[in-house]
Amino acid sequence: GEDVEQSLFLSVREGDSSVINCTYTDSSSTYLYWYKQEPGAGLQLLTYIFSNMDMKQDQRLTVLLNKKDKHLSLRIADTQTGDSAIYFCAEREGSGTYKYIFGTGTRLKVLA
Amino acid sequence: GAVVSQHPSWVICKSGTSVKIECRSLDFQATTMFWYRQFPKQSLMLMATSNEGSKATYEQGVEKDKFLINHASLTLSTLTVTSAHPEDSSFYICSTLARETQYFGPGTRLLVL
Repeated sequence: GEDVEQSLFLSVREGDSSVINCTYTDSSSTYLYWYKQEPGAGLQLLTYIFSNMDMKQDQRLTVLLNKKDKHLSLRIADTQTGDSAIYFCAEREGSGTYKYIFGTGTRLKVLA
Repeated sequence: GAVVSQHPSWVICKSGTSVKIECRSLDFQATTMFWYRQFPKQSLMLMATSNEGSKATYEQGVEKDKFLINHASLTLSTLTVTSAHPEDSSFYICSTLARETQYFGPGTRLLVL
């Protein structure tokens, strides 16, 4: 079945850039998403990218998509302590059901 | 985006009782909502897709008689955990589908003693 993989942890210093990586397996995915989850809370949509795009930038966030390698990344510029959270990538199944498959989540810790 | 609320935010109950969790779409009429559960330090596991006015579609391995879903209006879906047991303790999160994107509620933490 489909699988979405992420590295478990990332630690960066405040002001540096963070890059969170994700690999997926469903080549028919139409949209890919990045969500942020703070402790004890739900998921906040950060950004998404359509599968025919290579890059999308939204303020401090840059999403890169390599469809050939099925690799997605999220770059956070000028990382702040408030960015500390778990980041999930998700792919929308290509079957038209709008179901998402979530990655394992990357815990980002920003050091002051 | 869409604003989604859940109630209650947390609940503690005795084993054997039933617990109802509400998911409301506050600013969008949602034909489709999703229910997930999340174990500590793990990803989200889709339990079921809730469709307004029709039966929910459950994922493989999820007991439909154990987790009852009702989506009677375009703004409300409910998940009832029947005869709850300690292994049902988890974080339950709903989402609403708005403009082809899922927006999530704040989650409900359930602890079954």
